[in-house]
Amino acid sequence: KNEVEQSPQNLTAQEGEFITINCSYSVGISALHWLQQHPGGGIVSLFMLSSGKKKHGRLIATINIQEKHSSLHITASHPRDSAVYICAVTSGSRLTFGEGTQLTVNP
Amino acid sequence: KAGVTQTPRYLIKTRGQQVTLSCSPISGHRSVSWYQQTPGQGLQFLFEYFSETQRNKGNFPGRFSGRQFSNSRSEMNVSTLELGDSALYLCASSPSTRDYEQYFGPGTRLTVT
Repeated sequence: KNEVEQSPQNLTAQEGEFITINCSYSVGISALHWLQQHPGGGIVSLFMLSSGKKKHGRLIATINIQEKHSSLHITASHPRDSAVYICAVTSGSRLTFGEGTQLTVNP
Repeated sequence: KAGVTQTPRYLIKTRGQQVTLSCSPISGHRSVSWYQQTPGQGLQFLFEYFSETQRNKGNFPGRFSGRQFSNSRSEMNVSTLELGDSALYLCASSPSTRDYEQYFGPGTRLTVT
């Protein structure tokens, strides 16, 4: 079993829809990260959180430490949100990654 | 501030050759980590350097090595290349090992033929 599990693996939505991507982990962590990767490979860090909730524009990330679970929400989704979203956890001094969620938002 | 830079961006090598990839962190960042991304295995941690010392190493064979210089720039080397080493190699920097947020470079896409 992977230490970081994401669901769903693939997600297709219509523009404007509310999107949720889930991440569960099985190890002790110092922080949890949500990353975005566009075609071509570049990775952008969206959020780093160790408790509670963070919001940036249309993106919201939450984490429940007791349940070892995090969610990434995208409100009013847009085609430019199409990308791979990756959950990763810092455990010790290394990052361990989930397999990623391929999101496609259709106009 | 300039972001993390990686050179070269693309590289084609032949089986059995060796390759060296370079990463320049954000100015002031002293921690550099390297990751391998393949379609089959996803993103995997290779190693982390801080102040010219390797602090952590992932589960990769000894053919994968790295080093960090006094200006925090880092190189990784892969010897005796195998077809399975074809991947996107990403480096990321952070101010210190206690700063968990990492800033990723654009990656080097290595193809082994």
